[in-house]
Amino acid sequence: GAVVSQHPSWVICKSGTSVKIECRSLDFQATTMFWYRQFPKQSLMLMATSNEGSKATYEQGVEKDKFLINHASLTLSTLTVTSAHPEDSSFYICSAVTGIDYGYTFGSGTRLTVV
Amino acid sequence: TQLLEQSPQFLSIQEGENLTVYCNSSSVFSSLQWYRQEPGEGPVLLVTVVTGGEVKKLKRLTFQFGDARKDSSLHITAAQPGDTGLYLCAGEGSARQLTFGSGTQLTVLP
Repeated sequence: GAVVSQHPSWVICKSGTSVKIECRSLDFQATTMFWYRQFPKQSLMLMATSNEGSKATYEQGVEKDKFLINHASLTLSTLTVTSAHPEDSSFYICSAVTGIDYGYTFGSGTRLTVV
Repeated sequence: TQLLEQSPQFLSIQEGENLTVYCNSSSVFSSLQWYRQEPGEGPVLLVTVVTGGEVKKLKRLTFQFGDARKDSSLHITAAQPGDTGLYLCAGEGSARQLTFGSGTQLTVLP
């Protein structure tokens, strides 16, 4: 089946630094990937839609200059959290549309802790 | 903004009992999906329903999509401790983006 690999699975960084999270589709091409954020005991909130070869589309309230998304190839999208602050600590999850039977596949998530 | 209301938020039941989780919206979705998420992991797709009135069964799980394609339900028969987890419904929008419900944390006690 379709697999989406997300790295790292967890990261701890100092306040003010930047962190990059990678999302790869291993056995299919993903023209569109999505990035979500999930706070403890809450549901997933869509942050942005990542389109291969074009600019990402951000949801209302999500700072595009803080959450940089790059989708340079059909199998890789990256999310960079710039100048991270403790309030950015969260569980970040990517997903890709597999194109098969309306299927979406999610990565395993990245737990970001900013100290 | 499309919103999905999911209920109940928390559910704790004994092994062997039946339960139903509801997902309601005022918006029409092109498809509605149900996921299960374990702590520290991404959601795993259980089922996708597309047609109004559709019913899908997955072993002890029964999924229904409302005729108007605005609501859905998940029914679990004879729940087992292994069913414990966070259940999420998600509606697919026109741009293929998913809007998630608030989730139902299910605990099945042995």
